[in-house]
Amino acid sequence: GQQLNQSPQSMFIQEGEDVSMNCTSSSTFNTWLWYKQDPGEGPVLLIALYKAGELTSNGRLTAQFGITRKDSFLNISASIPSDVGIYFCAGPPGGTSYGKLTFGQGTILTVHP
Amino acid sequence: DAGVIQSPRHEVTEMGQEVTLRCKPISGHDYLFWYRQTMMRGLELLIYFNNNVPIDDSGMPEDRFSAKMPNASFSTLKIQPSEPRDSAVYFCASSFAGAPQHFGDGTRLSIL
Repeated sequence: GQQLNQSPQSMFIQEGEDVSMNCTSSSTFNTWLWYKQDPGEGPVLLIALYKAGELTSNGRLTAQFGITRKDSFLNISASIPSDVGIYFCAGPPGGTSYGKLTFGQGTILTVHP
Repeated sequence: DAGVIQSPRHEVTEMGQEVTLRCKPISGHDYLFWYRQTMMRGLELLIYFNNNVPIDDSGMPEDRFSAKMPNASFSTLKIQPSEPRDSAVYFCASSFAGAPQHFGDGTRLSIL
């Protein structure tokens, strides 16, 4: 089946630094979703992207839907300690609806004060 | 608004016992999903329902796992008999039509 590869697997940064992570696939996606999971909680939707080339912001977060439809990027500016968590990309495989999502393996973010 | 509600939040039980996990989706949502999360395998979709009907259970590990959705506001995931390798965090998620999924806070299951 379709797989999503996230990189890096983990990041250790200082508070105030900017963060970039990405997600790639060998197949095209019609939608890209970015979720964040805090320790002990379920994933929470951060940003949804619906069109190739789309650039969307949510506060300090910015995500882009790659032109090839095979990748997406998430950037966090001026990181703060509460940005700590696991960031997942996800998308409905095979151009389907949200009946099923494929998830990346996650990027673990640690922010040192 | 209430989100997806899962119970219990934590469950510790002995191998061989029956385990029942419960989920209340967000009111009005017509899709419900059960996931399992482990360090080794990440987030795995076990089964999902649309309008209370199971659509895809290809992710259910084996016959020891079963899921039901008797009505639009309740679903259960049952493991019988449980084994230590079933230890994981189990998430329920719901969505409406083509919208992204909303997750509950999960049930952390430990089988001794």
